[in-house]
Amino acid sequence: QQQVKQSPQSLIVQKGGISIINCAYENTAFDYFPWYQQFPGKGPALLIAIRPDVSEKKEGRFTISFNKSAKQFSLHIMDSQPGDSATYFCAASGYSTLTFGKGTMLLVSP
Amino acid sequence: NAGVTQTPKFQVLKTGQSMTLQCAQDMNHEYMSWYRQDPGMGLRLIHYSVGAGITDQGEVPNGYNVSRSTTEDFPLRLLSAAPSQTSVYFCASSYADRGPYNEQFFGPGTRLTVL
Repeated sequence: QQQVKQSPQSLIVQKGGISIINCAYENTAFDYFPWYQQFPGKGPALLIAIRPDVSEKKEGRFTISFNKSAKQFSLHIMDSQPGDSATYFCAASGYSTLTFGKGTMLLVSP
Repeated sequence: NAGVTQTPKFQVLKTGQSMTLQCAQDMNHEYMSWYRQDPGMGLRLIHYSVGAGITDQGEVPNGYNVSRSTTEDFPLRLLSAAPSQTSVYFCASSYADRGPYNEQFFGPGTRLTVL
């Protein structure tokens, strides 16, 4: 049973546009929601994370929006740049392990 | 600091062979974990450890063994390789006080092909 559902699977955005990736979770025990960014041939790296006591967290051009009642959270990338082209994973944690979504491959066209 | 290192980078095995994927970190992290990454499947947890001498199973542990004799090292053993174990394997580490709630530092990965 997939506990973290991520969409879309792939995304093409024009340079300067907004990239939006959505995730939904089922386990109400989850209380930590990070996003990881992965470039080809590299390991994932933490991008930004949120706890459910806030509805939004912003770091530079990256924003997480969190809707606890709907059990959904999303990543917004403002002013998307070609250097943002990567695979993005949402994740959720409830205690001792981290559960990842299936990933979104983002391509920002010049 | 070298961070999280993994060896080998690439490996080709025949069905039934055994091997050990090495993972080491020099950040004094107590929490370490192994993931496999398959196309369209994301990252799936194989095994994890909250400290030396303590390991536990993740989502997909079958066919893999781990041990944690030191804080620095967390090797992953494939007992009898199968084609279904063809994947990219990532090791990760973090501070243990809140385990997965802390930033996970991933290694560069090992690409394994089982023929």
